[in-house]
Amino acid sequence: KAGVTQTPRYLIKTRGQQVTLSCSPISGHRSVSWYQQTPGQGLQFLFEYFSETQRNKGNFPGRFSGRQFSNSRSEMNVSTLELGDSALYLCASSLDPVDNQPQHFGDGTRLSIL
Amino acid sequence: GQSLEQPSEVTAVEGAIVQINCTYQTSGFYGLSWYQQHDGGAPTFLSYNGLDGLEETGRFSSFLSRSDSYGYLLLQELQMKDSASYFCAVLNSGNTPLVFGKGTRLSVIA
Repeated sequence: KAGVTQTPRYLIKTRGQQVTLSCSPISGHRSVSWYQQTPGQGLQFLFEYFSETQRNKGNFPGRFSGRQFSNSRSEMNVSTLELGDSALYLCASSLDPVDNQPQHFGDGTRLSIL
Repeated sequence: GQSLEQPSEVTAVEGAIVQINCTYQTSGFYGLSWYQQHDGGAPTFLSYNGLDGLEETGRFSSFLSRSDSYGYLLLQELQMKDSASYFCAVLNSGNTPLVFGKGTRLSVIA
């Protein structure tokens, strides 16, 4: 069974640009969550999609957005990039995390803002 | 609000036992999970405690005390490959996402 796939693995952008990251969940998983990970801050929750609907949203500005497609694949978009957006962005899928199903993480996209 | 507290760093000797504590403050607590993340890798699920007590999976055990809002991860017979960051994460009731702690970096030394 293929794991969670995130593309691209690495990305370099400049301030003011926008970026789209992609996540393909494990087959059969309907929930996709996104996290931002920076040194010393752990995993900060961005949002969660379940069956194409945003079910939860973290405390991030509106520049961060996402969506989920009918095949459960998800994208997140960050507009007007800032230096502080440099981080590892992790995607996790599960059958349903609210039912204590474990989250399965991808290897992440490392985003660097110059 | 919610908060999770865990030590930022722990060092232990190969072959020894180490305990990583996690205290939490949250409303609607449902359960506590633990994840392991090696440098440059993805977090991987280790264990989940929904009830008080000890859950054992090989060399790893996890404990929960709901009355104390406290849990811990116990790693026995430490190996060098156990050097990684360990995150506790709280699952609350309702359709709410996992909330992760900031992680404990474990260094296993010879």
